[in-house]
Amino acid sequence: AQRVTQPEKLLSVFKGAPVELKCNYSYSGSPELFWYVQYSRQRLQLLLRHISRESIKGFTADLNKGETSFHLKKPFAQEEDSAMYYCALSGTGNQFYFGTGTSLTVIP
Amino acid sequence: DAGITQSPRYKITETGRQVTLMCHQTWSHSYMFWYRQDLGHGLRLIYYSAAADITDKGEVPDGYVVSRSKTENFPLTLESATRSQTSVYFCASRRGTGANEKLFFGSGTQLSVL
Repeated sequence: AQRVTQPEKLLSVFKGAPVELKCNYSYSGSPELFWYVQYSRQRLQLLLRHISRESIKGFTADLNKGETSFHLKKPFAQEEDSAMYYCALSGTGNQFYFGTGTSLTVIP
Repeated sequence: DAGITQSPRYKITETGRQVTLMCHQTWSHSYMFWYRQDLGHGLRLIYYSAAADITDKGEVPDGYVVSRSKTENFPLTLESATRSQTSVYFCASRRGTGANEKLFFGSGTQLSVL
């Protein structure tokens, strides 16, 4: 069963424009939600987690339990934001599930 | 993070051969994971391990075998490689739970099965 859905495989925005990467999840318990990012030639790394309610590199993500969504947002995209973004879920079974990923390109 | 290393970085093999991908971490994290990364599928969990000698299947375990005799090592074996197993494989270890929960990834192994 698909637990994490990222509907957009590719997303292009202009520099300075707002960006939103969508993530929806399906899980019966209380999952922990994360965004991981893979910059070119770098390892996958944690961007932010919902439980910390933090803003990293200008990105924020709000967990909406009613809509089962955890969309990633940034008001003004920068060229260095170009990367592959994965939404991830950690469930009670100690497994980590990832979505299919969204490749973000910020156009100068 | 240099604390988790994968080898080899690239591997080419033939259908039917056995291949082992290595993963080593220096933090003594209990949980370790193997994923494969494919276009259109993202990262899919193959196997994971909660501790030494404790392993469990993920989403796509068929054709793979894992072992964990020591906390720091988590090798992944393809018993009889098939072309559908051509992929990029990532190993990860997990630190903490809840607010401190974080996965650390290796640099990946790009496997081609001819």
